[in-house]
Amino acid sequence: SQQGEEDPQALSIQEGENATMNCSYKTSINNLQWYRQNSGRGLVHLILIRSNEREKHSGRLRVTLDTSKKSSSLLITASRAADTASYFCATDRDFGNEKLTFGTGTRLTIIP
Amino acid sequence: DTAVSQTPKYLVTQMGNDKSIKCEQNLGHDTMYWYKQDSKKFLKIMFSYNNKELIINETVPNRFSPKSPDKAHLNLHINSLELGDSAVYFCASSLRTSPGELFFGEGSRLTVL
Repeated sequence: SQQGEEDPQALSIQEGENATMNCSYKTSINNLQWYRQNSGRGLVHLILIRSNEREKHSGRLRVTLDTSKKSSSLLITASRAADTASYFCATDRDFGNEKLTFGTGTRLTIIP
Repeated sequence: DTAVSQTPKYLVTQMGNDKSIKCEQNLGHDTMYWYKQDSKKFLKIMFSYNNKELIINETVPNRFSPKSPDKAHLNLHINSLELGDSAVYFCASSLRTSPGELFFGEGSRLTVL
């Protein structure tokens, strides 16, 4: 089953602008993670936020989690060309099964 | 040193053939996974092993058989390949079963003609 869905599916912004991606999920979770995938490469872990946390920062990344709305957002500030990639959210519970289930991804393009 | 390495990176083969993809991790993790990513970038878990024991076996055809000779290796063998098997297969590992951070390999792109 598909636990998470990202919105928008694709996003293009100018270098230096902020990029915001959203993720919605269906069931209760222990934690939510965000991953980046550059074209033709494997996924790389960015940040993990636990269900009892509401906001977390890591460098230019800011993640929020609203468990009441079953949603999360990833904000990348001061975007760079190197941020061009697909971004996936992943949750660790899928209808009671503890496994990491990925969303559909947002394709982010930073225009120099 | 590559943390999670998988081979081959590219695999082109005919329908009906049997092929294997190998994965090794040098992180000392207990749990390893196989994920399949289709042409729409949808990533779906196939299997997970914890210390050589099968933990998760999603609804995957019997033609797919994972093998874990030790906790650092998880191989994927596919029999009687079909066109729909064309995808990128990712190996990953995590420290424990209840997944925290996953470390992914670079992927193996399988094309079935």
